Amino acid sequence: AQTVTQSQPEMSVQEAETVTLSCTYDTSESDYYLFWYKQPPSRQMILVIRQEAYKQQNATENRFSVNFQKAAKSFSLKISDSQLGDAAMYFCAYRSRDNNNDMRFGAGTRLTVKP
Amino acid sequence: GAVVSQHPSRVICKSGTSVKIECRSLDFQATTMFWYRQFPKQSLMLMATSNEGSKATYEQGVEKDKFLINHASLTLSTLTVTSAHPEDSSFYICSARVGTIGETQYFGPGTRLLVL
Repeated sequence: AQTVTQSQPEMSVQEAETVTLSCTYDTSESDYYLFWYKQPPSRQMILVIRQEAYKQQNATENRFSVNFQKAAKSFSLKISDSQLGDAAMYFCAYRSRDNNNDMRFGAGTRLTVKP
Repeated sequence: GAVVSQHPSRVICKSGTSVKIECRSLDFQATTMFWYRQFPKQSLMLMATSNEGSKATYEQGVEKDKFLINHASLTLSTLTVTSAHPEDSSFYICSARVGTIGETQYFGPGTRLLVL
């Protein structure tokens, strides 16, 4: 079964600086999707960025970008120019292309942004 | 992005009563809806998956007779916690997806259930 590991329970960053959140996953599949979701104190899950495994180019969404290393099964999230509103729990998630209903979440990383 | 709503946002009930939670996709038709449970400071755990007009598929260890799921239309799914007990207290989150392959899941704001 696929597993998603986020090895950093907590991270902190100074406002306006850059932080990278780590995520690794275990799978024997070649085609799948990876996601980063943000869960602020409101508990609303918000999609930050997604990556299709067949795409070599790293996904980017404004200040958020990923470093997708398929061979290493690594999917890190980089947040540039961190803002106070970025403070939240961040979950990395994996979804198989074959079993499309099974989205696996990591344990989460709590990001604190210091003013 | 697509919007998913949940109602109620929080509910307190007595042990032994049943609680219904609604999940609606507001601006799209959801082929598939998912129900998750999240314990404090933990990740999301998938409880069940439902397709409109079909019976829900429950994850291993989830009691289908306790957590009744009805996906009556392409915009509405309900989760009923029957004969709730204190151990059912948790944060319940629904999620909806438009298509099948490759489509992004959108999440509702969650429902906090407290069973006294």
